[in-house]
Amino acid sequence: GDSVTQTEGQVTVSESKSLIINCTYSATSIAYPNLFWYVRYPGEGLQLLLKVITAGQKGSSRGFEATYNKETTSFHLQKASVQESDSAVYYCALSDLMLSGSFNKLTFGAGTRLAVCP
Amino acid sequence: DAGVTQTPRHEVAEKGQTIILKCEPVSGHNDLFWYRQTKIQGLELLSYFRSKSLMEDGGAFKDRFKAEMLNSSFSTLKIQPTEPKDSAVYLCASSRGLISNERLFFGHGTKLSVL
Repeated sequence: GDSVTQTEGQVTVSESKSLIINCTYSATSIAYPNLFWYVRYPGEGLQLLLKVITAGQKGSSRGFEATYNKETTSFHLQKASVQESDSAVYYCALSDLMLSGSFNKLTFGAGTRLAVCP
Repeated sequence: DAGVTQTPRHEVAEKGQTIILKCEPVSGHNDLFWYRQTKIQGLELLSYFRSKSLMEDGGAFKDRFKAEMLNSSFSTLKIQPTEPKDSAVYLCASSRGLISNERLFFGHGTKLSVL
């Protein structure tokens, strides 16, 4: 089946430093699935951070970037300078064909908790 | 705001009990999903509805888990009988379902503890 593997556990970064959270994927139904990063801020529900549906393209939001790399099947999340408000849990996900023929089945990674220290 | 609403936020059950979790999707959304979230497995799909019809269930979750959508604005997830390994956060999500790569809107989840 589909799978998403991302940096495990917690990542601790000092404020204003750079961040990378690794994500690699494997999709069984199609060669180029849609790729997403979702985020859960403390006290809030899971929400979309960014998505990329075309291989080779880069998505960005709130200073975060991720590039869809089909050669390495990766979709790493990066930010040049993190802030305390970025402390959250980040989930990499892919969407693949469902039996219905739509693309809405999301497979998530286990999540990476980001702690930004002042 | 009129996002996805899940109730209750917390549920404590004893082994063998029946529990029902509730979800109200975003108004007008056609797709509804139930996910289970644990630290070990991450998010696992339990059920998927499109326009109230069950399109996919979670395979391994079939025997004690049953999701229903009686109308377009309300869904339930029944776990019967509960087991301690069911302790997890259960997330409901919805989307418009109009195009293939739409974002999902998630509720805050129900944290279930089975003793």
